[in-house]
Amino acid sequence: TQLLEQSPQFLSIQEGENLTVYCNSSSVFSSLQWYRQEPGEGPVLLVTVVTGGEVKKLKRLTFQFGDARKDSSLHITAAQPGDTGLYLCAGILTGGGNKLTFGTGTQLKVEL
Amino acid sequence: GAVVSQHPSRVICKSGTSVKIECRSLDFQATTMFWYRQFPKQSLMLMATSNEGSKATYEQGVEKDKFLINHASLTLSTLTVTSAHPEDSSFYICSALGLRIDTGELFFGEGSRLTVL
Repeated sequence: TQLLEQSPQFLSIQEGENLTVYCNSSSVFSSLQWYRQEPGEGPVLLVTVVTGGEVKKLKRLTFQFGDARKDSSLHITAAQPGDTGLYLCAGILTGGGNKLTFGTGTQLKVEL
Repeated sequence: GAVVSQHPSRVICKSGTSVKIECRSLDFQATTMFWYRQFPKQSLMLMATSNEGSKATYEQGVEKDKFLINHASLTLSTLTVTSAHPEDSSFYICSALGLRIDTGELFFGEGSRLTVL
């Protein structure tokens, strides 16, 4: 059983559309991160959220950490083909030391 | 920003041989490094936590005799896949814990793709 479940698992959209990726858990996390990974490369950190209810914006990306620190979402506005990739949420459990647990992943494809 | 380098990026070996993958933190010291395994189009699965100067801590289900981890210095951790078999073929990624321990900021290597024939 995965601690962090992401939905959807796969998403194929047209350029210009908006999308939201969800990251859910029944466990509480002291912090949560979002990564983007391209084939054959390591994941690249997009954002870290640490406070329940926190919202962070990175250009067209908006990240939210749930009030109870059990879930998070990533919203992309006006998606572009360059946004294509594997999006991963990852969190550190409260009292979990420094071990990062990854979500199940969301494969996004943005077509022209 | 902090950089973590893995070597080799790709390796092909024959079944039964051992393969060593290196993970280096290039501009910072990392007392803790992590090794992950990733299958195609899947997420990263933590294999083990590598601590400088001590034995690695393996996740449940990961064979420590199969995947030998050594963290002999503050900038280098190695993963050796012993007696590799085709089912060991995978993308192996390391990460090093940065200074922001409270937020668990990790810096990831570029990954190493192992193909066992």
